[in-house]
Order: sequence, then structure tokens, then C-alpha cells
Amino acid sequence: SQTIHQWPATLVQPVGSPLSLECTVEGTSNPNLYWYRQAAGRGLQLLFYSVGIGQISSEVPQNLSASRPQDRQFILSSKKLLLSDSGFYLCAWTRDGSAEAFFGQGTRLTVV
Amino acid sequence: QKEVEQDPGPLSVPEGAIVSLNCTYSNSAFQYFMWYRQYSRKGPELLMYTYSSGNKEDGRFTAQVDKSSKYISLFIRDSQPSDSATYLCAMRKWEGGKLIFGQGTELSVKP
Repeated sequence: SQTIHQWPATLVQPVGSPLSLECTVEGTSNPNLYWYRQAAGRGLQLLFYSVGIGQISSEVPQNLSASRPQDRQFILSSKKLLLSDSGFYLCAWTRDGSAEAFFGQGTRLTVV
Repeated sequence: QKEVEQDPGPLSVPEGAIVSLNCTYSNSAFQYFMWYRQYSRKGPELLMYTYSSGNKEDGRFTAQVDKSSKYISLFIRDSQPSDSATYLCAMRKWEGGKLIFGQGTELSVKP
């Protein structure tokens, strides 16, 4: 069966510090991978998506970046966090020809 | 213009009421139409999906798609307090590419 792992679950970081969130998928190959951010009481804002290794599409200009070093690994990074980067970050994957998206449990990031 | 628009609510209804949730979209290339339910501090869970115009029923839930109007709906019959959550519509193309969500509607069903 397919599973998706996302960590850490909670993170408190000072302004200006770096960030690295990791997401891995098991049980499938060549998934489409996504990073979303959700502010309190708001919908899911698509940040990045990837249809293959090294292929990253950015949806929102910001100080975040994403990388896909392996087929089933998706990393969200920042060199210097801003207060506005606080939020709930979700990783997800889909498969071509299938509707369902599978989500990780999310990372709640607080920048202080 | 956002690709997907959804009224954020909040929406409060009494137990047993029929709930209607709606989204509009602008990209005619979307092929999959989905509804997700999200409880606080959790990842979204898929409720229903469809890829054609018309109705799809699953228990107390009915998903409706009108591609000509670019409009989708989710109906919840005999709503229960356990249905209280945020409901998000989502859309994507057939292959690869973006999976876009609406803003989510916060629903509260009062006993």
C-alpha cells in the first residue's frame, strides 16, 4: 500500500533561520508531488509541484524553494525564514489517471 | 481571477438540515473534480470525486458537476454534528500538473 511520510509535525524557528521539510512517498513510482501552505482558516495554497525528478514548478514567488532529488522525495527549503512563512505545510502526491490526492499529516511551522 | 472560487463561510446549520456547498472555476481544462473534508490540524481526506458532468451519490453525500457553467456542488443530506469540518473543493487536469483547491468552507452542524 502507498504511504506518505512528512516530518517534523511541529517546528518553531526564529526569523532568519533556514528551513528544511522533507516528504517521502512509499509504494508507488513516478508520483506527482505537491507542497501546500495553509494559513489559519484559509484554503490550501499551492506552493510547488513536481511531475518528475528535478522538475519543479513554482506557483507563488517567495523565499521558499523546493527540490526533488529522488523519485519519491520532495523537500521544501528556505535560506532565511520570515514571520509570514508561519503556517501549516502539507505534502501530497497524485498519480496520472487517478483523481485522489494523498496527504501527509502536515507540519505546523511557527516563525518567531 | 483565481482558478477556483469557494465561499469560505462559515456556515452553521441545525442537525438534519441539507447542506449545499459550491465552487466555481475558470479553467476548462480541469477534468477531475473532488471534495475533501478537513478536520482541524489534520490533512484533508477525499470524500468524493467525479470526472464528468452530472451527479454522483455516496450515502448522504451527492457531488454535482456542471461543466458548461464551470460550477460544482456538494450536498449533504441529514447533516450530523460529526459532519462539522472544513470542506474543500479541488480540481486538476487528467495528467500531471496542478492540483488546485478552493478556499474551503467551514461547516458547523449544531445538535
